[in-house]
Amino acid sequence: GAGVSQSPSNKVTEKGKDVELRCDPISGHTALYWYRQSLGQGLEFLIYFQGNSAPDKSGLPSDRFSAERTGGSVSTLTIQRTQQEDSAVYLCASSLGQVALQFFGPGTRLTVL
Amino acid sequence: LAKTTQPISMDSYEGQEVNITCSHNNIATNDYITWYQQFPSQGPRFIIQGYKTKVTNEVASLFIPADRKSSTLSLPRVSLSDTAVYYCLVGEGFQKLVFGTGTRLLVSP
Repeated sequence: GAGVSQSPSNKVTEKGKDVELRCDPISGHTALYWYRQSLGQGLEFLIYFQGNSAPDKSGLPSDRFSAERTGGSVSTLTIQRTQQEDSAVYLCASSLGQVALQFFGPGTRLTVL
Repeated sequence: LAKTTQPISMDSYEGQEVNITCSHNNIATNDYITWYQQFPSQGPRFIIQGYKTKVTNEVASLFIPADRKSSTLSLPRVSLSDTAVYYCLVGEGFQKLVFGTGTRLLVSP
């Protein structure tokens, strides 16, 4: 596609439920990143993929968070047993490589009630 | 990764030049300085990147003094559509980006 796409654009869930957020990177981009942005805050790095492997998972806040990438393309961020503090906008970015310019998607706004 | 400090907010009027300064006293030799722009409900968008001296593109200019401990993003003749949050980032190229809280620029008529 022309840009990075994310789905859903908005997700409202109840505390304790699991959610899956999807990211479709720009075709051909080998690197993929997930960030989280809480209201009025800057972006918080979560995880980075190079191809299908994740050399840097340092930003995942807890073991309730996991991510995978298949076929070197689509990535899914899964949050298990969601908590209210997980409410944020989850942003995905992709780039041609680790040292290449990152292009961001529009984000998924997650609200945990 | 070098820590950056920038003003929380700035106000301007249409047609004025806006300069946003970012401090990065602990910048490393291999670090680049990158600026992103973010509109509400959108992901950040790359504006400009530089290593030293001055860089200019169709959107902005980036001024970096010789000691590289600070940098200034210059937006010429801002319009209402330049109202956004501007992030200064320092690191090796475009690797894992560390965003601060940014500078919220408000452009008024």
